[in-house]
Amino acid sequence: DAGITQSPRYKITETGRQVTLMCHQTWSHSYMFWYRQDLGHGLRLIYYSAAADITDKGEVPDGYVVSRSKTENFPLTLESATRSQTSVYFCASSDGEGITDEQYFGPGTRLTVT
Amino acid sequence: AQKVTQAQTEISVVEKEDVTLDCVYETRDTTYYLFWYKQPPSGELVFLIRRNSFDEQNEISGRYSWNFQKSTSSFNFTITASQVVDSAVYFCALSEAHILTGGGNKLTFGTGTQLKVEL
Repeated sequence: DAGITQSPRYKITETGRQVTLMCHQTWSHSYMFWYRQDLGHGLRLIYYSAAADITDKGEVPDGYVVSRSKTENFPLTLESATRSQTSVYFCASSDGEGITDEQYFGPGTRLTVT
Repeated sequence: AQKVTQAQTEISVVEKEDVTLDCVYETRDTTYYLFWYKQPPSGELVFLIRRNSFDEQNEISGRYSWNFQKSTSSFNFTITASQVVDSAVYFCALSEAHILTGGGNKLTFGTGTQLKVEL
């Protein structure tokens, strides 16, 4: 299916475990983003990528690692999950051709760290 | 640093009432973009509108309208004759123009306004 997908949609993990959230888009968009959504904070940018092999930190990058070996994929890894990382994670992509471009969001992954 | 403030945490209205969602932003840039997104109970984020800092013309789209005022750094959103299906969390967001660095449009979101429309 065309669009932007995230997997898994729901994940429960234990403190200290490594977990990877997947994001895949079929539009060949240049830019991809990871946000986390928490009550009282709205959405906050974790990492973004301008192209394959080009990534940069956002507002709240600590505890997260990203990679982008292929344009269509942008996985987010929590190397050692903590309870404070319990959140809903949204991946987004945009053409990036212009700063005006809207971002298309995935359906989100609800992560619970116990 | 840029900032978006949505002071209204939750608004409840009765169907057919008009409702305005407030958004105030802060930025040092002269070129920036403002967005509104809707998040219905199903959780996905739906793009509603984009406005650039050079275009203060108000916009109307069906029952939705947006009032952009640079003088007060506000970008308010009004729903006319609200319906139950309008119940959602609405986010205002700001993007600064990083043309030289090619940073794309990294969005800074407000904390959202929960709108409840009741019968």
